[in-house]
Amino acid sequence: RKEVEQDPGPFNVPEGATVAFNCTYSNSASQSFFWYRQDCRKEPKLLMSVYSSGNEDGRFTAQLNRASQYISLLIRDSKLSDSATYLCVVNYFGNEKLTFGTGTRLTIIP
Amino acid sequence: ETGVTQTPRHLVMGMTNKKSLKCEQHLGHNAMYWYKQSAKKPLELMFVYSLEERVENNSVPSRFSPECPNSSHLFLHLHTLQPEDSALYLCASSQGGGVDTQYFGPGTRLTVL
Repeated sequence: RKEVEQDPGPFNVPEGATVAFNCTYSNSASQSFFWYRQDCRKEPKLLMSVYSSGNEDGRFTAQLNRASQYISLLIRDSKLSDSATYLCVVNYFGNEKLTFGTGTRLTIIP
Repeated sequence: ETGVTQTPRHLVMGMTNKKSLKCEQHLGHNAMYWYKQSAKKPLELMFVYSLEERVENNSVPSRFSPECPNSSHLFLHLHTLQPEDSALYLCASSQGGGVDTQYFGPGTRLTVL
């Protein structure tokens, strides 16, 4: 089983719609969780950290479910500029390493 | 624009060549990383340096040799590579360890012929 698993997509979503991605992780010792965004032919950039209580940043909401070992990302009122690959990232306590999923590709259609 | 730069941005090399990738961070960070990104595969961590000391090496073949002369610079020396080593090589830096946000450079697109 992959350490971090994501649906690769692609998700093709009309502008203005709401879209959600899930990501599952295999190691229950996972401590920190993040969503990174990677535009085509660009480097990954941190989108948001994911906190136990869930957190929101504008149109983006991240949730963590430790019991089921998954995190989610919800994008409301999607914009054309949201088109990118979204990377689920997990860190284990005391470890220097970030473990990345393969990413979910999202395309917002006008 | 991030504070992490990489050169060259593109590199084509033969299997017998020796080349080096360079990364420089202008963020005052203490940790630097090399990642490999291949098509349809997750980012693979290759090396981690913290305060110029290598703290992790994810069983990378010896044809890849990292060097971290100071906290701002990181090199990846390449020799006798294989075609399957063709990929995007990304450098990243962070203030501290794994839980800190990592800032990535634009990457070097490497093609091995």
